[in-house]
Amino acid sequence: SQQGEEDPQALSIQEGENATMNCSYKTSINNLQWYRQNSGRGLVHLILIRSNEREKHSGRLRVTLDTSKKSSSLLITASRAADTASYFCAIDNYGQNFVFGPGTRLSVLP
Amino acid sequence: NAGVTQTPKFQVLKTGQSMTLQCAQDMNHEYMSWYRQDPGMGLRLIHYSVGAGITDQGEVPNGYNVSRSTTEDFPLRLLSAAPSQTSVYFCASTPGLAADTQYFGPGTRLTVL
Repeated sequence: SQQGEEDPQALSIQEGENATMNCSYKTSINNLQWYRQNSGRGLVHLILIRSNEREKHSGRLRVTLDTSKKSSSLLITASRAADTASYFCAIDNYGQNFVFGPGTRLSVLP
Repeated sequence: NAGVTQTPKFQVLKTGQSMTLQCAQDMNHEYMSWYRQDPGMGLRLIHYSVGAGITDQGEVPNGYNVSRSTTEDFPLRLLSAAPSQTSVYFCASTPGLAADTQYFGPGTRLTVL
């Protein structure tokens, strides 16, 4: 399966700390996307990184991609309580759909 | 724009009943899809459509039907509900296969007794 696998499954940090979560995949990709899901809501797109890119930034978010290791990481800096959510990576493998991983549940404690 | 809308928000069915989950988008997106989300799992693709009149199966299509008669609407039909179909269902749309992002609806929480 090309499903992305996020790691860790759950992460609990204090407000102001940085949060890092990882996504690994198995075959070549066109791009990789990160989404956030607040409890009881739909997914919201955060950032996309293409296979020929190594790093992208968006506000407090930093995403890296290492195609040789088939992995990506999402870093949230200076976390806030409002960042509490589940985070998913989605793989675009040149197919006709995206494949989502099981997600990382992030809890940011005040 | 309303974006992607889904109705109903919540639904309880008895085993064997049928129903249709509605999904609509007002962004003129060609690509629409249905996912189900179960606890501890990511989203699994049920069916998708690359345009009006064209649908295809995803990872978990059994027990579900779809049709795409217009660009805006992409209903998901449960033919004979089973407890294993208890889940949260999300509809998503994107301008095209090479687009940068999917836009998700708020979800329908379905319970089958």
